Amino acid sequence: NAGVTQTPKFQVLKTGQSMTLQCAQDMNHNSMYWYRQDPGMGLRLIYYSASEGTTDKGEVPNGYNVSRLNKREFSLRLESAAPSQTSVYFCASSFSTSGAPYEQYFGPGTRLTVT
Amino acid sequence: GENVEQHPSTLSVQEGDSAVIKCTYSDSASNYFPWYKQELGKRPQLIIDIRSNVGEKKDQRIAVTLNKTAKHFSLHITETQPEDSAVYFCAARASGGSYIPTFGRGTSLIVHP
Repeated sequence: NAGVTQTPKFQVLKTGQSMTLQCAQDMNHNSMYWYRQDPGMGLRLIYYSASEGTTDKGEVPNGYNVSRLNKREFSLRLESAAPSQTSVYFCASSFSTSGAPYEQYFGPGTRLTVT
Repeated sequence: GENVEQHPSTLSVQEGDSAVIKCTYSDSASNYFPWYKQELGKRPQLIIDIRSNVGEKKDQRIAVTLNKTAKHFSLHITETQPEDSAVYFCAARASGGSYIPTFGRGTSLIVHP
């Protein structure tokens, strides 16, 4: 099993450009998440999908959109990138949000720089 | 919503010493408290977790304690080794609402050989 995979690993964008971060999991998990990690700020939730067909905003959703393409895949889109979106982005998955086991499994991350 | 405070932000110890990282949470309904370790340039990975019906859990050199009355929980690492150097995150998961865990800001643990 590959677990949670993300593409790309690194990306440099100019202000105003758009891009989509891809995430896939092969653990048959129902719930998927997107986080951003900035120095000293921990992991902040951008969006999550409790189950296929549903998405909800997290703590910092502004400037992002998501799509739960199917049970395996959850993408994050930046429509018009801004320097404030320079960060490391992690995708994660878990069996579900409401039922055990509760452990979240993280992908390897995407390091995004917006100039 | 839930608020998780984590201290200290940086912890420096000598190899063989013990390390303690503390977290407090605000929502008394939270019922699951995981700890994640993130090595430099890597993804966060679960190292230990505890549920609200248990006061302490141990796994070899690491242990977690939970005080529900005071709403705080701690990670204890004994006989630290250089490979324990990493950023450690605590989290608290509510038993209702969105059920999504809220993370602390992380503690950078440095173990000097």
